Parts: sequence; structure tokens; C-alpha cells
Amino acid sequence: KAGVTQTPRYLIKTRGQQVTLSCSPISGHRSVSWYQQTPGQGLQFLFEYFSETQRNKGNFPGRFSGRQFSNSRSEMNVSTLELGDSALYLCASSLTGARVEAFFGQGTRLTVV
Amino acid sequence: AQRVTQPEKLLSVFKGAPVELKCNYSYSGSPELFWYVQYSRQRLQLLLRHISRESIKGFTADLNKGETSFHLKKPFAQEEDSAMYYCALSAGSNYQLIWGAGTKLIIKP
Repeated sequence: KAGVTQTPRYLIKTRGQQVTLSCSPISGHRSVSWYQQTPGQGLQFLFEYFSETQRNKGNFPGRFSGRQFSNSRSEMNVSTLELGDSALYLCASSLTGARVEAFFGQGTRLTVV
Repeated sequence: AQRVTQPEKLLSVFKGAPVELKCNYSYSGSPELFWYVQYSRQRLQLLLRHISRESIKGFTADLNKGETSFHLKKPFAQEEDSAMYYCALSAGSNYQLIWGAGTKLIIKP
């Protein structure tokens, strides 16, 4: 079956702009989580959606937001980009959330200049 | 609060030597623990989980509730084991995975 797909793979944006990242989970998976990965901070949890509802949220500012559609596809939006937002953004899907295997996408590499 | 600690950011061992990547957690109930691995230019993927009690690619991990640890071990390291390893915890009714900071494992030839 098809894996988790994230688009785009690479993005270059300017400070102050906004960006939307997309994640298509594995078919049948209802939970989608987003992470920020940087060399210095490792994996930082952003939020998790399940059946179109945000179920968990990490400690990121309100500039980071997300949503999930009825087909479980999810988008993440970052407004007013800052240089520190440059990172690899990972999406993971699973059937129900924690306690089951999470399947990760290849990530979107965001560079803010 | 639930927490996962991987004390080593970097671990370097010679090929053929034993490997142990440490993972300690804080949670008073019955946790579910995972090891995920990220090879260079590949996706983060599940390596093993304590409930399955499997040995994957020669790696094993035993949950020690007394010491609240879930260390990852392999008796003889191979060069292809070089990767980033993350320990993760799922606990209680929280559907969020709690992640450690990760350990970069380098296997020297």
C-alpha cells in the first residue's frame, strides 16, 4: 500500500511569509501527527489530529496551525515565518494514534531566508 | 510528567563490538515503548516495540520497569547500523508519543 506522502519536498520562503504543508496518510489511518525536526532539537511534536479534530498539541506558538480533512489528509500552516522555523517537518500517520506503529513521510524541508 | 531520556547524543563503536543505546523514561503506570530508527536519507521507521518482544536486525530491547529503562542492544554491531535512533513512549490515555532526543550511532570499520 502507498506510504505517507508529504508535499512539497522542499520549500524556500522569505521571512514574514506564510506556508502550507500537506500530508496524505496511509489509507485507513485516522491519526496524523506533525513534527519539527532540527539537528539541535531533535523531534519536536507540533500537533495530532484524529477524525478532523485536534487531539493533542505541542508547545509551539500560535503561528503554527493545522487541520485535517474528512479523507484524513492533513495540512499544516505556518504564518509570519521566522528564520528559526527552518527545519524538516515530518508527518506521521497511524490507525488510532499512540500505542500503535506510526508511519512517517519523507518530510518537507523548509528553509526560511 | 512523562519524559523520555536518551543520555547519549552520539555513540561511536567499532564494527563487531556490542552496542547499547540507553533509554530511560518517567511514567508511573504501564507504558508502551518503541525504538524508531532513521537511516541516512530514509524515513523514520519503527525498529521494535517492547510488546512484540521481537529481535529486529539483531537488536533487542527489554523493558525494565524497576529501572524505568528500555535500552536497545545488539551483540555485534554492523556498519549498516549507523543511523539516528529514537526512543518513544506511549502512556495512559494520552495519544501523543513522547520522544527522546535521539542518539546518533556511528559504527566504525
